[in-house]
Amino acid sequence: QKEVEQNSGPLSVPEGAIASLNCTYSDRVSQSFFWYRQYSGKSPELIMSIYSNGDKEDGRFTAQLNKASQYVSLLIRDSQPSDSATYLCAVNIKNTGFQKLVFGTGTRLLVSP
Amino acid sequence: EAGVVQSPRYKIIEKKQPVAFWCNPISGHNTLYWYRQNLGQGPELLIRYENEEAVDDSQLPKDRFSAERLKGVDSTLKIQPAELGDSAVYLCASSLGLAGALDTQYFGPGTRLTVL
Repeated sequence: QKEVEQNSGPLSVPEGAIASLNCTYSDRVSQSFFWYRQYSGKSPELIMSIYSNGDKEDGRFTAQLNKASQYVSLLIRDSQPSDSATYLCAVNIKNTGFQKLVFGTGTRLLVSP
Repeated sequence: EAGVVQSPRYKIIEKKQPVAFWCNPISGHNTLYWYRQNLGQGPELLIRYENEEAVDDSQLPKDRFSAERLKGVDSTLKIQPAELGDSAVYLCASSLGLAGALDTQYFGPGTRLTVL
């Protein structure tokens, strides 16, 4: 089992719709979770961080965390073509004594006008 | 506030040649990371520095890769000799170095390495 798993997509949604991106992780004791956006040819850019169960909202973005199910998601409301990018889920995992950020392979989102 | 700076942005070399990448973290960030990102994959940690100390280099291929962070600010990652499989984007990130789970990493623009 991969430490952080995401569906590679592409996830296609029409402009104005809600995009739902999902991520599961294997380390039951992980405490911090991040969503990064990566445009083609660019570096990852932090969108959201979440540490507690429940929802965290920031503008059109909502991160949802369920530690019991080891599941974290990102909702993008009123999706825009400019949201088209790869979304990377990252989880802080303790491995061989060190905490490190482990990334999923990313989900490619395509928002059509 | 300036972000993480990396150079060069692009590098093309022939196999068996050496190559070096440079990173300047965000001012005040004590922790510095080097990642490698292959096409279609997420970044994978190579090495993490707390100030000038390498605290996690378990993923660094030590036969050909080396890194240093003299004076706990700038860092250099070197590959010698480069192999075809080293073609990737090399990302530098930095964070404040907060204890526990609250530390957030910010990435530089990356160096795209092509080994021919």
